[in-house]
Amino acid sequence: DVQLLESGGGLAQPGGSLRLSCAASGFSFRSYAMTWVRQAPGKGLEWVSDISSSGHSTYYADSVKGRFTISRDNSKNTLYLQMSSLRVEDTAVYYCAKVLANWGPERYDPTFDYWGQGTLVTVSS
Amino acid sequence: EIVLTQSPATLSLSPGERATLSCRASQNIVTFLAWYQQKPGQSPRLLIYDASNRATGVPARFSGSGSGTDFTLTISRLEPEDFAVYYCQQRYNWPPLTFGGGTKVEIK
Repeated sequence: DVQLLESGGGLAQPGGSLRLSCAASGFSFRSYAMTWVRQAPGKGLEWVSDISSSGHSTYYADSVKGRFTISRDNSKNTLYLQMSSLRVEDTAVYYCAKVLANWGPERYDPTFDYWGQGTLVTVSS
Repeated sequence: EIVLTQSPATLSLSPGERATLSCRASQNIVTFLAWYQQKPGQSPRLLIYDASNRATGVPARFSGSGSGTDFTLTISRLEPEDFAVYYCQQRYNWPPLTFGGGTKVEIK
């Protein structure tokens, strides 16, 4: 069974940093692009960032560009999101998710077929 | 950025009734649209991809249709477990990937 387990959430101060992790199992992690999607309390879904299966291509929402960095360690089957210069508006549950299909190291379908349970990030002074 | 507008915001129906949810894109996205279901306290679940393809394990009462700018998710007969929030998502032109604002299907 595919499993995605996020960790690293918690309370951070404005301007602070956190690193989220997503441990993957049950599929060939190195073969699939991955994503982070967040959901502010009581709000809808917001795409944050994608990374290709090789890790060479990364994409970001404008709201986090320059502050967040997505990365992966295919030897550890783990996805990361380094968050810095945190803002109150970054408060959300952060989900990692697997893409539905991959056609090569840099080409994939950003539809998400498996999601983790989410980790809550609260930014507050 | 492609904006997805979902309507209605809330749909009040009874079990056994038919649910019709709409998602409109701000520009032509061909059929590059997915639908997700999210229940309270749970992660989203993929229902439909590429506008009309059911994901693995999704019951046949869920169907998707549409192309271009107008898309529909239909639940033929609502089961108690179908009361949830539904989101559409486009992958035609990204970044950014975008989601609609959601439609809540609630028990009448």
